[in-house]
Amino acid sequence: NAGVTQTPKFRVLKTGQSMTLLCAQDMNHEYMYWYRQDPGMGLRLIHYSVGEGTTAKGEVPDGYNVSRLKKQNFLLGLESAAPSQTSVYFCASSSGLELFFGPGTRLTVL
Amino acid sequence: GQQLNQSPQSMFIQEGEDVSMNCTSSSIFNTWLWYKQDPGEGPVLLIALYKAGELTSNGRLTAQFGITRKDSFLNISASIPSDVGIYFCAGLRDNNAGNMLTFGGGTRLMVKP
Repeated sequence: NAGVTQTPKFRVLKTGQSMTLLCAQDMNHEYMYWYRQDPGMGLRLIHYSVGEGTTAKGEVPDGYNVSRLKKQNFLLGLESAAPSQTSVYFCASSSGLELFFGPGTRLTVL
Repeated sequence: GQQLNQSPQSMFIQEGEDVSMNCTSSSIFNTWLWYKQDPGEGPVLLIALYKAGELTSNGRLTAQFGITRKDSFLNISASIPSDVGIYFCAGLRDNNAGNMLTFGGGTRLMVKP
């Protein structure tokens, strides 16, 4: 089992550009999450999904969109990137209280 | 905004020393969890606490769920170099609300051999 995988690992964008981060899990988990990690701020929830075809807003959803068309995939989109979105993005999945995290995507917006 | 206050923010200790860190909140949580993040990796669950007053160990790690349900503590005994990383506390209020966790800001631990 690969667990939770994320692509890409690194990306540099210019302000205004768009991109999609892909998360995939092979554990048949119902719940999937996108977090961002900033120094001293811990992990903040952007969006989450409790099942295929469903999504919901987390703590910091502005500027992001998500889709869960297949149970194993959870996509995070930035329509018009801003420097404030420079961060490390983590995807996670769970079937209970234990979240399994991916290795992260380091995004820099210039 | 940030609802879990974790302290200290960083610690630099000598190998073999014991470590204590804590997490406090103005709100009640029903479950407390402690995660460790190794450099360049995603966080991994260390210990989960489900009941006020509960004390749980995992090897050299011991964590406690505070009686008031507004705090939790993590202790590491006899630290070793591989303990280096960022330790996060996380709390869960409603077990049915998509299991959304609130994370603390993290404690960065550095161990000098």
